Amino acid sequence: SAVISQKPSRDICQRGTSLTIQCQVDSQVTMMFWYRQQPGQSLTLIATANQGSEATYESGFVIDKFPISRPNLTFSTLTVSNMSPEDSSIYLCSVYISTHYEQYFGPGTRLTVT
Amino acid sequence: DAKTTQPPSMDCAEGRAANLPCNHSTISGNEYVYWYRQIHSQGPQYIIHGLKNNETNEMASLIITEDRKSSTLILPHATLRDTAVYYCIVRVFGNAGNMLTFGGGTRLMVKP
Repeated sequence: SAVISQKPSRDICQRGTSLTIQCQVDSQVTMMFWYRQQPGQSLTLIATANQGSEATYESGFVIDKFPISRPNLTFSTLTVSNMSPEDSSIYLCSVYISTHYEQYFGPGTRLTVT
Repeated sequence: DAKTTQPPSMDCAEGRAANLPCNHSTISGNEYVYWYRQIHSQGPQYIIHGLKNNETNEMASLIITEDRKSSTLILPHATLRDTAVYYCIVRVFGNAGNMLTFGGGTRLMVKP
């Protein structure tokens, strides 16, 4: 399996500010994903982050609001920009391990916007 | 990916078997059935997956009907630590571009 860490684990932020969430994997992976889980809801895919190319965003999510970086095969960041209370969610990083045909998830970052 | 339907919640007595159903009537021939669970405040955890044969591992058993339109995840001896939301997902095996799409899941409450 893959060991995935996220920083910060939680944060409370003011409306209008931005937060960058980091995701670190203990092995090189081609595909990384960012999900959002709003309170009491299931997971929703935000975007797919591939190293060396622009992230691919799902419907309803845009780069200006959720810019993503993928500088190498073990690391990615997701920024939540110009935050509002509606952005209060758990943000999860996920990776696909081709040799295992499996997808693994990080512990999540719990964001509260006041 | 094919859509899945699960009951929103279930209860199970500690030590008894928990049987969690999933309907996936539009599943394609090359789609596998995956089960994940999410314990409170944690990321989803892989449990098991299968194509058409029944599968068993150290965590659970997966029973898939012959027509593949439904399946059941079985936790043989549920413990309090099995309390979680269980997600049934169908996807093409090994297709990294076809990432996991989550439905509502079943909230399993294991009671003493």
